[in-house]
Amino acid sequence: EAGVTQFPSHSVIEKGQTVTLRCDPISGHDNLYWYRRVMGKEIKFLLHFVKESKQDESGMPNNRFLAERTGGTYSTLKVQPAELEDSGVYFCASSPVWEGEQYFGPGTRLTVT
Amino acid sequence: GNSVTQMEGPVTLSEEAFLTINCTYTATGYPSLFWYVQYPGEGLQLLLKATKADDKGSNKGFEATYRKETTSFHLEKGSVQVSDSAVYFCALIANDYKLSFGAGTTVTVRA
Repeated sequence: EAGVTQFPSHSVIEKGQTVTLRCDPISGHDNLYWYRRVMGKEIKFLLHFVKESKQDESGMPNNRFLAERTGGTYSTLKVQPAELEDSGVYFCASSPVWEGEQYFGPGTRLTVT
Repeated sequence: GNSVTQMEGPVTLSEEAFLTINCTYTATGYPSLFWYVQYPGEGLQLLLKATKADDKGSNKGFEATYRKETTSFHLEKGSVQVSDSAVYFCALIANDYKLSFGAGTTVTVRA
């Protein structure tokens, strides 16, 4: 069974540009989560989807971040326009039920210069 | 709110040395506690977990005991190997589905 995959693995963009990160969860997992680790600090929750619906987006830092999960399969996280403080590693995770173990992807390292 | 504090790294050890990574937490209710590991180039993997006080989680020679009285969940391994070099994260879930993580501890084991 394929695990959670994320694309790209690394992205370098300039301040003011737009970047879209993609996450493909494990097939059949209705729950999808985004987390972020900034500057080697703790990993922080961004948002949670149940199928295509946003269940909780309390961790989204501001309105420059937009997450979607059309059709309840893969998810995208768009940052527009990117700022320097957005640099970090963005992790995606999925789980079959909301209180089940979360399976993580390898992360996307975003560098904003 | 919920928070996790773990010892800062980096930690450098020789093979067969004893490893301890301290982790303490603050949470409402009765959290479940986890240790995740990220090996170089890979995603976060669940290493072990404990869901109630005095439970001991164990996996791959690592152990951690849920200590409610000291709000701690320290990770230990008696004899580390080079392959244990990774970043280790302590985490908890309390009354919801959001994982709260510590800052991570980078461990390097030298042959």
